[in-house]
Amino acid sequence: QKEVEQDPGPLSVPEGAIVSLNCTYSNSAFQYFMWYRQYSRKGPELLMYTYSSGNKEDGRFTAQVDKSSKYISLFIRDSQPSDSATYLCAMSVPGAQKLVFGQGTRLTINP
Amino acid sequence: EAGVTQFPSHSVIEKGQTVTLRCDPISGHDNLYWYRRVMGKEIKFLLHFVKESKQDESGMPNNRFLAERTGGTYSTLKVQPAELEDSGVYFCASSQELAPNTGELFFGEGSRLTVL
Repeated sequence: QKEVEQDPGPLSVPEGAIVSLNCTYSNSAFQYFMWYRQYSRKGPELLMYTYSSGNKEDGRFTAQVDKSSKYISLFIRDSQPSDSATYLCAMSVPGAQKLVFGQGTRLTINP
Repeated sequence: EAGVTQFPSHSVIEKGQTVTLRCDPISGHDNLYWYRRVMGKEIKFLLHFVKESKQDESGMPNNRFLAERTGGTYSTLKVQPAELEDSGVYFCASSQELAPNTGELFFGEGSRLTVL
């Protein structure tokens, strides 16, 4: 069983829609949760970073962590064509210097 | 400020040959990481340098892989001899602070390796 599960999609939605991206994980020691965005032929770039449970908002993006369910989400409001990319969830345990990634969800926002 | 630079961007070699990938981190970043994505799989950690020292190489697949970071600046990842299953995209990342818990990882665009 993978430590982090993420539906690879692809996911296609119309411009302006609310997008929900999710990951589940099995390792209860994970405390740090990240969302990376990766455009085609580029490297991942950090989008959101959350410690432990709760919500974090940054503009049109909201990250949620539910540690009791081992479930994290990224919501994108008022989605734009420029949001089309692969979204990767990543996690780590305290003290560890390595990220455990999900497979990534390929998202397309249609104008 | 220049980002993390990797080259070559794409390398095609035959099974049994040797390939060396290079990563130039962001200037001043002591922490350097190598990750790999095999087709259809998730990105996986290979190893972590702090300056020239290997801090964690638990993700290195086998002894055909050798990573170095002489002088604590750029790093190389050599695969010798290459096998078919080594094909994938090799990402380098760097950070100033210890990441990921306290710092942001900056990734390069990756080096795509195809082994025929």
